[in-house]
Amino acid sequence: AQSVTQPDIHITVSEGASLELRCNYSYGATPYLFWYVQSPGQGLQLLLKYFSGDTLVQGIKGFEAEFKRSQSSFNLRKPSVHWSDAAEYFCAVALNTNAGKSTFGDGTTLTVKP
Amino acid sequence: GAVVSQHPSRVICKSGTSVKIECRSLDFQATTMFWYRQFPKQSLMLMATSNEGSKATYEQGVEKDKFLINHASLTLSTLTVTSAHPEDSSFYICSARDRHTLGYEQYFGPGTRLTVT
Repeated sequence: AQSVTQPDIHITVSEGASLELRCNYSYGATPYLFWYVQSPGQGLQLLLKYFSGDTLVQGIKGFEAEFKRSQSSFNLRKPSVHWSDAAEYFCAVALNTNAGKSTFGDGTTLTVKP
Repeated sequence: GAVVSQHPSRVICKSGTSVKIECRSLDFQATTMFWYRQFPKQSLMLMATSNEGSKATYEQGVEKDKFLINHASLTLSTLTVTSAHPEDSSFYICSARDRHTLGYEQYFGPGTRLTVT
């Protein structure tokens, strides 16, 4: 079955440290890939997306993600985390064959220590 | 750009009443909007896909007679929870796709917290 996996339910990092959030998918073709961030009680904000081309994509707020076809992964990274980055992060995929509906991972909660 | 609003942000209603939630794309046209439900500490569960001018497509297990969706214009979709019960209490989020944007990114509204007493 098609799925999106975020292996880490909760990650804690110190402010200023680097961050990597993992995302794996299982689809036959290369899907459209997204990372969203959700602050408590809010909707989701698009951080970045990958459709094709350069496999390293830059997003907002200093985030980047790298698509690795061989590993079916789309991990999110940030070199230096800020306290305001504490939030819930969702990886999502969409397929042409599914009318472009997105499937979301279960999310990773990021806590930032001072 | 690409702003989606939801109204109301919070609503409390009594069991048995109906509640309407509006989702608007403020600066773009959206032929497709999505309605999600999110339980605490969980991911988004897609309820239905709303297409302008046609009937909504509901996901398996979602009661279409209970969750009425109308997408009357390119900027407005509504979700009506009919005969609400306490188990319908949840965070409802809508999203919209820009008809002029290639790819399938969605722009999300801020969500509506529904509490049924």
